[in-house]
Amino acid sequence: AQRVTQPEKLLSVFKGAPVELKCNYSYSGSPELFWYVQYSRQRLQLLLRHISRESIKGFTADLNKGETSFHLKKPFAQEEDSAMYYCALNPPQGGSEKLVFGKGTKLTVNP
Amino acid sequence: SAVISQKPSRDICQRGTSLTIQCQVDSQVTMMFWYRQQPGQSLTLIATANQGSEATYESGFVIDKFPISRPNLTFSTLTVSNMSPEDSSIYLCSVEDGRVGSYNEQFFGPGTRLTVL
Repeated sequence: AQRVTQPEKLLSVFKGAPVELKCNYSYSGSPELFWYVQYSRQRLQLLLRHISRESIKGFTADLNKGETSFHLKKPFAQEEDSAMYYCALNPPQGGSEKLVFGKGTKLTVNP
Repeated sequence: SAVISQKPSRDICQRGTSLTIQCQVDSQVTMMFWYRQQPGQSLTLIATANQGSEATYESGFVIDKFPISRPNLTFSTLTVSNMSPEDSSIYLCSVEDGRVGSYNEQFFGPGTRLTVL
């Protein structure tokens, strides 16, 4: 079964500190992985996807197939990064485009 | 990006009643998805709705409890039937970005917060 695990429910860092939000997945094939973010009072939105290997708002995420991980990293956290972050997996099977989400990590960046 | 609206934004309902949630998209989309987010939990896919065909339900969700309509390419409804307090959740509609090179990104609606007493 496909599963996404985000071991940290809450993560608190100070402004300017590095931040890493952990994500591990279980899937036997080659999944598509995403990070979605939900800022306060806003809807869920895509932050980045592994296939495009991009950096968005200073965040990067590398897919490590050996460790089945897709951790989200930023070298210098900003207060505006405070939000709920969800790791998601799209198992490319049968044409379905469904997403399997982790439980989310609430990031708080303190001044 | 697609703009999605949901109605109602929130509701408080009595046990045993039903609520229909509407999802409107500003562009034509092939696939629409309905998710549930229970308090303190992650988003769980309820079903995938394609226009002109029956919705595809995920394990643990059945059509009698969550009937879905998809009358056209810009609109869908999800009904939560015979509600119980365990149905208290946020219900989210999403659509797939069908543009070439979009890598299956999904756009989400603002959600409907349902409380069942």
